[in-house]
Amino acid sequence: DQQVKQNSPSLSVQEGRISILNCDYTNSMFDYFLWYKKYPAEGPTFLISISSIKDKNEDGRFTVFLNKSAKHLSLHIVPSQPGDSAVYFCAASPKFGPGTRLSVLP
Amino acid sequence: NAGVTQTPKFQVLKTGQSMTLQCAQDMNHNSMYWYRQDPGMGLRLIYYSASEGTTDKGEVPNGYNVSRLNKREFSLRLESAAPSQTSVYFCASSEVVGSNQPQHFGDGTRLSIL
Repeated sequence: DQQVKQNSPSLSVQEGRISILNCDYTNSMFDYFLWYKKYPAEGPTFLISISSIKDKNEDGRFTVFLNKSAKHLSLHIVPSQPGDSAVYFCAASPKFGPGTRLSVLP
Repeated sequence: NAGVTQTPKFQVLKTGQSMTLQCAQDMNHNSMYWYRQDPGMGLRLIYYSASEGTTDKGEVPNGYNVSRLNKREFSLRLESAAPSQTSVYFCASSEVVGSNQPQHFGDGTRLSIL
């Protein structure tokens, strides 16, 4: 059973525009959510997190929004840069989603 | 500044062979983890060690054993490799076990079982 879902396997956006990556979860007991970024041939690296008692957390160009009633969270990257091209995993430790591959086009 | 180091990076085995994947961290973290990543399935937890001297099963432990050798090192052993164990294996560490604890990952071991 996939308790953390990322229904978009891939996303392409133009450099400078906003990237929105989505994540849904099924377990209402999850109390913390983390986003990781992964480049090819490297391990995932922690990007940003959010507690279930908050609805927004911001760190520079990255903002995560949480809608508990919908069991949905999203990661916004503004403005998107080519170096942001990577696979992004949503996680509610130790459960990980399958990832979304973001391509930022110059 | 190594972080989490995994060896080897690549390995090809025949069905039935055994192998140990090595992992070491230099961040003085208490907790360590082994995951496998398969296409379309994200990372799945195989085993974890909350602290030195303890190990616990994760979501997919069958066919694997682990050893927390000391605070730095956490190894994963395949006693009799099967084609279904073909995957990319990641080791990770965190200060402690907790849902709010970011994990630090190694670069992975790509394992193929023929």
